[in-house]
Amino acid sequence: EDKVVQSPLSLVVHEGDTVTLNCSYEVTNFRSLLWYKQEKKAPTFLFMLTSSGIEKKSGRLSSILDKKELFSILNITATQTGDSAVYLCAVERNSGYALNFGKGTSLLVTP
Amino acid sequence: EPEVTQTPSHQVTQMGQEVILRCVPISNHLYFYWYRQILGQKVEFLVSFYNNEISEKSEIFDDQFSVERPDGSNFTLKIRSTKLEDSAMYFCASQRGGNTGELFFGEGSRLTVL
Repeated sequence: EDKVVQSPLSLVVHEGDTVTLNCSYEVTNFRSLLWYKQEKKAPTFLFMLTSSGIEKKSGRLSSILDKKELFSILNITATQTGDSAVYLCAVERNSGYALNFGKGTSLLVTP
Repeated sequence: EPEVTQTPSHQVTQMGQEVILRCVPISNHLYFYWYRQILGQKVEFLVSFYNNEISEKSEIFDDQFSVERPDGSNFTLKIRSTKLEDSAMYFCASQRGGNTGELFFGEGSRLTVL
């Protein structure tokens, strides 16, 4: 059975801190790993990673995939209160359309 | 910016009743999905739909569930006879091409079964 495990489950930081969120996975026939941000309701897309070692960046957020060790990290630098959300990691197989999500990391950034 | 819209935002129903959740995907998207999230738990895949047929479904998507694209714009999820454990947030999502990663999610329909 496929597994997606995120850690930590929750995190409280101060504005300006840097955070690293982790996602490890076990999946048959891996295609890609995706990160989503869920603020109130709908998850919104952040990154899709398919190749090892290539960092994806968007502003203060970046992510990288290690296909040998089967994990990904999501970094957020200079955190702001608007970064407070649940961050979801999901994996996709070559053989289907479904995304298999982890339980998420709940991030709270305090002023 | 185009978005996926869902109605209703919240529905309360009695156990055993039929429920239809509606979604309007982004207009040039071809792949449509339903996911659900039980309170406090992870987002779970239910079904994917392409070219007017189901392309993949999970074990959760049993005979009580069905999907339809009745008129070329709406995409509906029907639960025939609701159970207490169907209480969840149901997300519709759409995607321009299959497996291209970026799924656009709607705001969700919260279903409460009493």
